[in-house]
Formats: sequence, structure tokens, C-alpha cells
Amino acid sequence: EAGVAQSPRYKIIEKRQSVAFWCNPISGHATLYWYQQILGQGPKLLIQFQNNGVVDDSQLPKDRFSAERLKGVDSTLKIQPAKLEDSAVYLCASNRVRSYEQYFGPGTRLTVT
Amino acid sequence: GDSVTQMEGPVTLSEEAFLTINCTYTATGYPSLFWYVQYPGEGLQLLLKATKADDKGSNKGFEATYRKETTSFHLEKGSVQVSDSAVYFCALSDDDYKLSFGAGTTVTVRA
Repeated sequence: EAGVAQSPRYKIIEKRQSVAFWCNPISGHATLYWYQQILGQGPKLLIQFQNNGVVDDSQLPKDRFSAERLKGVDSTLKIQPAKLEDSAVYLCASNRVRSYEQYFGPGTRLTVT
Repeated sequence: GDSVTQMEGPVTLSEEAFLTINCTYTATGYPSLFWYVQYPGEGLQLLLKATKADDKGSNKGFEATYRKETTSFHLEKGSVQVSDSAVYFCALSDDDYKLSFGAGTTVTVRA
């Protein structure tokens, strides 16, 4: 089966600009996650969806970050406006409901200058 | 809240050496424990898991035992290969199936 797809793989923007990332989970996986991984740190959960509903967005900086999962399949994560400290790899993962194993995409490396 | 602490790297070893990466956790409940691995240029993937105390997870020659008394889940491999060079992440999941990760340990194996 196809894995989790993410695009773009790399993005360089200037601070105060906006950016969007796209994720297509594994077919049949109801749960989708977005993580932020800052260099030298482990991934930190930003938001969790189950189908098209938000389960947990407590760690999402809602003043600048937004995410949606229309129709319960693909998802987009947006940052507007970006700050220097948003430079990180943004990971998307998916799994079946009540499954511990998450399947990760290759990530999008964002550099904010 | 739940958290994971793993030994800092980077770790550099010669082929066939013994590898240990320490991991301890703090959790309010009885979490499930995981090791994820990230090979160069690839996404994170599950290496092994243990869902209850005294369980041993194993895969690709790696092992880790869930030790409730010491709140630990140390990763070991008896004889590493160059292909084991990667970043290793310890993680836990409580009842809600969300993952909390450690900071990662970079392992480099020299031929």
C-alpha cells in the first residue's frame, strides 16, 4: 500500500509570509496527526484529527497556525504569518482508530529567513 | 504530563559493537512504550513496542524490555551494522493513543 504522502518536501520563506503544507494519509486511516520537529528535538504533536473532526489541538499556536481535513482524507496545515522559530520539519502521520502504530510521511522541511 | 527522557548522542560505534540507548519515562497511567527509527532520508518508522510491564519488544535484532519498577525502556542490539546508522526515538502513548517522543539519539556505525 502507498505510504503517507507530503508536499512540498522543502520550503524556504521569509518571516511574515504564509505557507501551506499538504498531507495525504494511508487509505483507510481515520486518524491523522501533524507534528512539528525542531532540529535536535523529538516530534511534538500539533493537532490530531479523527475523520474530519479535531480530537486535540491543544498544542497548536492558533494565532498563526491552522489546519483542516475536509472530507476526512487529505489535510492541510497553514502558517500565517511565519516566524523564525517556525523553522522545523513538519511531519504528517496516520493510523487506524485505536491503533498504537503511526505511519509517518517524509516530512516538509521549512526554513524561515 | 507524560514525558520521555533518552540518552543524549551522538553515539559512534564500530561494526559488531554492542549498542545501548537509555530511555526513561514519566507517566500518570500505564503507557505503551515504543522505539521509532529514522534512517537517513526516510520517514519515522516503528521499530518495536511493548504494551505492558515486563513485555519485551524485538525487531531486526533490537530488543527493549518494559521495566515498570525503573520506568525504563532501554534499547539494545548485540552486534550493530553500518545499516543501523539512524536516529532513534523513544516514545510513549497513554490511553489516548497520542505519542510523546524523546529528543532522539543519533547513532553512527563505522565499518
